[in-house]
Amino acid sequence: NAGVMQNPRHLVRRRGQEARLRCSPMKGHSHVYWYRQLPEEGLKFMVYLQKENIIDESGMPKERFSAEFPKEGPSILRIQQVVRGDSAAYFCASSRTGQGYEGTEAFFGQGTRLTVV
Amino acid sequence: KQEVTQIPAALSVPEGENLVLNCSFTDSAIYNLQWFRQDPGKGLTSLLLIQSSQREQTSGRLNASLDKSSGRSTLYIAASQPGDSATYLCAVRNDYKLSFGAGTTVTVRA
Repeated sequence: NAGVMQNPRHLVRRRGQEARLRCSPMKGHSHVYWYRQLPEEGLKFMVYLQKENIIDESGMPKERFSAEFPKEGPSILRIQQVVRGDSAAYFCASSRTGQGYEGTEAFFGQGTRLTVV
Repeated sequence: KQEVTQIPAALSVPEGENLVLNCSFTDSAIYNLQWFRQDPGKGLTSLLLIQSSQREQTSGRLNASLDKSSGRSTLYIAASQPGDSATYLCAVRNDYKLSFGAGTTVTVRA
């Protein structure tokens, strides 16, 4: 039973390019979360998705960032026109249960380390 | 807004010593609390999950306690080994959202 799979593991983009980060949740998990870890900072919540729905995107910058979790395929975090401040580690997590359930346990992927040059 | 604090920020101990890592949080209305381990450049490995109704959870040499009313959790690692060297993160869950502390970086000297 594979864990949460993220790719690529490392991504280098020039300023102004687009970055696409992919996340395949664990088998049987329909809840996906994205977190960002800036250098020397803790992990911060960005967005919570269920299949085809964005439940909470309150932690995501309003501009340039978007996320989706289609009916088929992985969840995608998309950053348009990247800037140096977007350089960070982006972690995806998945869970079998989600909103409103106390026993929810999140399992994290290895992360994608984005470097903007 | 949930604030999570971990003390100390860093810890260095000789092999065999017991480790005590502290976590405090401001909003006691949590669903559960997870302790994670993060190795440099790697992902997060879940160590223990404590439900809000539980007082402690144990796995091997690891034991975590939870005092929800006072907003505190402690992770104990018995008989530390060099392989325990890593950053340990505390995360509290309010509904679906995890709030993380900045972590405690542990170095176990051989």
